[in-house]
Amino acid sequence: NAGVTQTPKFQVLKTGQSMTLQCAQDMNHEYMSWYRQDPGMGLRLIHYSVGAGITDQGEVPNGYNVSRSTTEDFPLRLLSAAPSQTSVYFCASSYSMGLAGGYNEQFFGPGTRLTVL
Amino acid sequence: ELKVEQNPLFLSMQEGKNYTIYCNYSTTSDRLYWYRQDPGKSLESLFVLLSNGAVKQEGRLMASLDTKARLSTLHITAAVHDLSATYFCAVLRSGTYKYIFGTGTRLKVLA
Repeated sequence: NAGVTQTPKFQVLKTGQSMTLQCAQDMNHEYMSWYRQDPGMGLRLIHYSVGAGITDQGEVPNGYNVSRSTTEDFPLRLLSAAPSQTSVYFCASSYSMGLAGGYNEQFFGPGTRLTVL
Repeated sequence: ELKVEQNPLFLSMQEGKNYTIYCNYSTTSDRLYWYRQDPGKSLESLFVLLSNGAVKQEGRLMASLDTKARLSTLHITAAVHDLSATYFCAVLRSGTYKYIFGTGTRLKVLA
């Protein structure tokens, strides 16, 4: 299993450009999520999905869109990049989000380092 | 609003010493997680704590959870250089699918 994969690893954008960060997992996980990591702020949840066709907002959703057409893929779209979106982006997945039980530990991808000029 | 606070934020310790990292959270939560991140790398799951009084141990690391105090601890026993990393706790907000992470504790173990 490849686990959680993310592309690209590095990206530089100019203000106003749009792009899509790709995330895929081959573990048949129901739950997938996107985080951004900024110095001194830990990880902040952007969007998440509990299954194909179901997405919802996290803590910091503004400026980002997501969709989940398949179980495997969960792309993150930046609509009009801003310098404030310079960050490291992590995608994560977990087996089940059933709140009644299960560990639900998340498996993280390698990250995408994004710079917006 | 659920807040997750870790302390200390930075920790420099000598090899062979013991120390504890604290994770406080502000509202009820279903479960608590500890992750490790090496510099420039991704996050790796260490422990999942599901109930009050839960204790998990792996090597020199031991995690515990007190849901009444809304406190989890990560205890390091006889630290070694390989434990140098940033440690994050994360809480699953009760009744939701949202994880909230602490700001992390950067641990440096000196030889």
